[in-house]
Amino acid sequence: KQEVTQIPAALSVPEGENLVLNCSFTDSAIYNLQWFRQDPGKGLTSLLLIQSSQREQTSGRLNASLDKSSGRSTLYIAASQPGDSATYLCAVVHMEYGNKLVFGAGTILRVKS
Amino acid sequence: EAQVTQNPRYLITVTGKKLTVTCSQNMNHEYMSWYRQDPGLGLRQIYYSMNVEVTDKGDVPEGYKVSRKEKRNFPLILESPSPNQTSLYFCASSFGEGGYGYTFGSGTRLTVV
Repeated sequence: KQEVTQIPAALSVPEGENLVLNCSFTDSAIYNLQWFRQDPGKGLTSLLLIQSSQREQTSGRLNASLDKSSGRSTLYIAASQPGDSATYLCAVVHMEYGNKLVFGAGTILRVKS
Repeated sequence: EAQVTQNPRYLITVTGKKLTVTCSQNMNHEYMSWYRQDPGLGLRQIYYSMNVEVTDKGDVPEGYKVSRKEKRNFPLILESPSPNQTSLYFCASSFGEGGYGYTFGSGTRLTVV
């Protein structure tokens, strides 16, 4: 059974810091890994999608890496801003589960001004 | 604009009163899915559909029904809602099985009293 774990569960940093969110998954037979952002009580916004054959993806201040063999992904946020405060969710699409997204529990990020 | 549209955004209902949450996507996606999100339990898949007239159970299908008569629509039906179905519901879509990313709707917050 595919399980996804995110560390840390919560993170509070001062504005301007660079930070790393971690995601690990137990089964490397994945199609892709997707990072989402969720504001309180709101929907999920896709941040980055990394295919299983890729090592990283970048969008603005965000960079996500994928090491499929070790079952790990990191989301790097450069020069954090208060507007980055949200919950960040990692999810994988496992090859044997149809097209189901398996989510981690998320990292709650607070960036203090 | 490419999007997944859910309605209603908020719904308060009484136990046993049948309700339908609608979901529509304008991206010609084959794959559609419903998730519920609960504190401490994260996001769990309810039902999914790989294509028109093809639906299957996810991890928590009890108490729910779905249908896929058209490619763009995937309604979630609660025939006899109960308080344990109080949750935040999300519809999501994707091009199909494999390395495609997901687009999520804005969510429906359902309260059953």
